[in-house]
Amino acid sequence: DAGVIQSPRHEVTEMGQEVTLRCKPISGHDYLFWYRQTMMRGLELLIYFNNNVPIDDSGMPEDRFSAKMPNASFSTLKIQPSEPRDSAVYFCASSLTGQGYNEQFFGPGTRLTVL
Amino acid sequence: QKEVEQDPGPLSVPEGAIVSLNCTYSNSAFQYFMWYRQYSRKGPELLMYTYSSGNKEDGRFTAQVDKSSKYISLFIRDSQPSDSATYLCAMEDYKLSFGAGTTVTVRA
Repeated sequence: DAGVIQSPRHEVTEMGQEVTLRCKPISGHDYLFWYRQTMMRGLELLIYFNNNVPIDDSGMPEDRFSAKMPNASFSTLKIQPSEPRDSAVYFCASSLTGQGYNEQFFGPGTRLTVL
Repeated sequence: QKEVEQDPGPLSVPEGAIVSLNCTYSNSAFQYFMWYRQYSRKGPELLMYTYSSGNKEDGRFTAQVDKSSKYISLFIRDSQPSDSATYLCAMEDYKLSFGAGTTVTVRA
């Protein structure tokens, strides 16, 4: 299995531009998570989906952020307009429902720099 | 106050030393306690998890959970340079809450 796939791996953009981050979860996994990691705030959960339905978006910082999961194999996180304080590493993770603890598998991340 | 507190370090030890990492938390609803390892410019990967209180051992790694004190620990015995990474504790009620991560360097 290829694991969780994220694209692009690096993104440099200017303030005010729209940014779209993409994620392909592990095949068969029914949960998908978007996280943001910064030095100041660590790893924070932004939103998660179950069976393509958003369950909890309480971590989304503001209306400039939106996430979609149109099908079981694809999700996007969009920032519009982007701001310098959005610079961070954004991780996508997926997991499978089951008894006991359900391990989250993380992708390699997208390093976003907003100038 | 954050739900999960973890000293960010950094921590530098000689090869072969015991590495001791810990986290404290405030949410009594946490049931699963995890340690993730993150190499530079990579995503976190699960190292170990423990359900409720107790100890768990996996090779050179031992995880301990004390729910009465709201305190968890990770010990790495006979540390190797390949153990150099950031270690994040994480805890779950219905979602994961992560500590800040402790950066560990094992010197050859």
